[in-house]
Order: sequence, then C-alpha cells, then structure tokens
Amino acid sequence: SAVISQKPSRDICQRGTSLTIQCQVDSQVTMMFWYRQQPGQSLTLIATANQGSEATYESGFVIDKFPISRPNLTFSTLTVSNMSPEDSSIYLCSVGSDRGVDTQYFGPGTRLTVL
Amino acid sequence: GENVEQHPSTLSVQEGDSAVIKCTYSDSASNYFPWYKQELGKRPQLIIDIRSNVGEKKDQRIAVTLNKTAKHFSLHITETQPEDSAVYFCAASTGGGNKLTFGTGTQLKVEL
Repeated sequence: SAVISQKPSRDICQRGTSLTIQCQVDSQVTMMFWYRQQPGQSLTLIATANQGSEATYESGFVIDKFPISRPNLTFSTLTVSNMSPEDSSIYLCSVGSDRGVDTQYFGPGTRLTVL
Repeated sequence: GENVEQHPSTLSVQEGDSAVIKCTYSDSASNYFPWYKQELGKRPQLIIDIRSNVGEKKDQRIAVTLNKTAKHFSLHITETQPEDSAVYFCAASTGGGNKLTFGTGTQLKVEL
C-alpha cells in the first residue's frame, strides 16, 4: 500500500489562528479525503480533495473554515482557519488504494490542540 | 445519507474467547464494508473488507459476514489475544471511490 505522511504530527495553537496540515503520498492516487476525529469519537469526513478542482465538502463543513488544496495526485493540504478550542481534534488524510478504488488507507494523523 | 450504527460500544472478553461486533447500515445502495482497527494514538488500520456480492470473508482469525437483506454486517474475531485490544470501526460506502461512513466504534478489551 502507499506510504502516507502528514505534517505536522501535532501542534498546539492559539484561538483565532490558522494551521495548515500537509498530506504527502509516495505514489499517485486518485482519491484523497480529509477526516476529523474528535477525542474518543469516530471518524467524520470533512471533504473529498479533488485534484485540479474545488474540494467536495460534507454537510456541516465549509470551505471558509476548512480550505483544501490538491495541486497534484500525491499531495493535499487542509487548513483549519480561525481556530477555536472546539477544533481540537485529530485530523487524518486518507487515500484510495490500488487494491480497489473503494479501499482507503489513512495517514498517521495530526493532533491539534487549540488553547 | 448513509447512517451506520455499531454495537456494542465496549466489549470485554477473556483471552482465547471469540468477539463479535455488529453494524447496521441504512442505504441499500451501499456495497462496500471495511473494518478498521485503531490502537491508542495510532492511525486506523484496515483489517478486512467485504463487498456486497460476497456473504462471508475470512482472514486467519478474523471474519466478516454480510446480510444484505437485513442490512447488517459483523466482525468476528476468534481466539482473541491481548494484542487484539483496540477500537474497531465499521464503515459503509456505495463504492466507486465514494466516501466511507463510519460507525461509532467498539472498544475491545482482551483480558488475560
């Protein structure tokens, strides 16, 4: 399976600031997704990162708060804007696999704490 | 949209016993059902998946069963070991690279 890395692995930020999280894959992948996992909770899809076009956001998530870039088939960024303590979560990217278009593998995650 | 329910939320078994985790889904168009294992502080790891054209799939001590009519699927772990202790998530998708909808997770604890 593809090797997926995320930067940063963790960060502590002040409210009102923004943080950009990077997701890098060692091979070209068609599908990339961004998830949020709040403490002790399940995974919630934020958006699908589309290469060359605007991301597709899920209900409850908006571009102004979570802008996403996907400049090529191996890289994507998620920005968490104007952060509040409620944004404290783990943010994970996932990618489709050559096992099949449906299979997703996850990056190691970025643990964000907002003070 | 799709809704996935997962039970139980916590499960404690003795080493060597079997563990069963059950999920139900709402969208009859869903046709892909993966299971992920997440250890504390780690990323979710895919452990097994099943597609709707198959009723059961096994991989060593792990098996998944699917009942399309009832819209439920289950994870079975036999001969449990302490290293099986983790949170397990089921998920469902309508396929074609579409999004996964996750269940709420099951905390499995295997006691010595």
